[in-house]
Amino acid sequence: DAKTTQPNSMESNEEEPVHLPCNHSTISGTDYIHWYRQLPSQGPEYVIHGLTSNVNNRMASLAIAEDRKSSTLILHRATLRDAAVYYCILRVGIQGAQKLVFGQGTRLTINP
Amino acid sequence: EPEVTQTPSHQVTQMGQEVILRCVPISNHLYFYWYRQILGQKVEFLVSFYNNEISEKSEIFDDQFSVERPDGSNFTLKIRSTKLEDSAMYFCASTLSPGVDTQYFGPGTRLTVL
Repeated sequence: DAKTTQPNSMESNEEEPVHLPCNHSTISGTDYIHWYRQLPSQGPEYVIHGLTSNVNNRMASLAIAEDRKSSTLILHRATLRDAAVYYCILRVGIQGAQKLVFGQGTRLTINP
Repeated sequence: EPEVTQTPSHQVTQMGQEVILRCVPISNHLYFYWYRQILGQKVEFLVSFYNNEISEKSEIFDDQFSVERPDGSNFTLKIRSTKLEDSAMYFCASTLSPGVDTQYFGPGTRLTVL
């Protein structure tokens, strides 16, 4: 499974933007970049995914480097509810039931 | 919004006992998964299931584990003879399509083996 590297922890203030980085230097052409998050005492939750172009949804934006070796999850205006562990996961773009391979993720703390 | 549900939320059992963890995936989903998370550690894949068959299983998923879809709605994980190290949160997930489709997770069952 292709590997990702994320900082162990980050801290931000409420109502400020947050940029969560992820390095995936060994990404292959068919790998999709997915982000999930896990709020305290809950199951993981899908946030966003992309292949090559930047993506936006109601939760976040995903900025993908031109060489695809890194990406950044952007929370435009963090709330206390965004405090969670954020996981950057590569998924191969082929058919079949595919597992998610979680790393340690980035623990995001939001200060009021 | 449809969601994955899991029961019970917390199960306490004695070492050596059998436990069955239950999940109700989202109704039109076709692919099902079990993951576990030992306290303070990362989420680990156990098994994926499609068309009444195991698609893939991890090294953790040994002969003590089994999965079943006994009817059109439930998806179960059975641990035949629990060990202390089976204590963990167990998450069920489901997805509609194969490949890179979003997996929807349940809230988890906390299993405590004494």
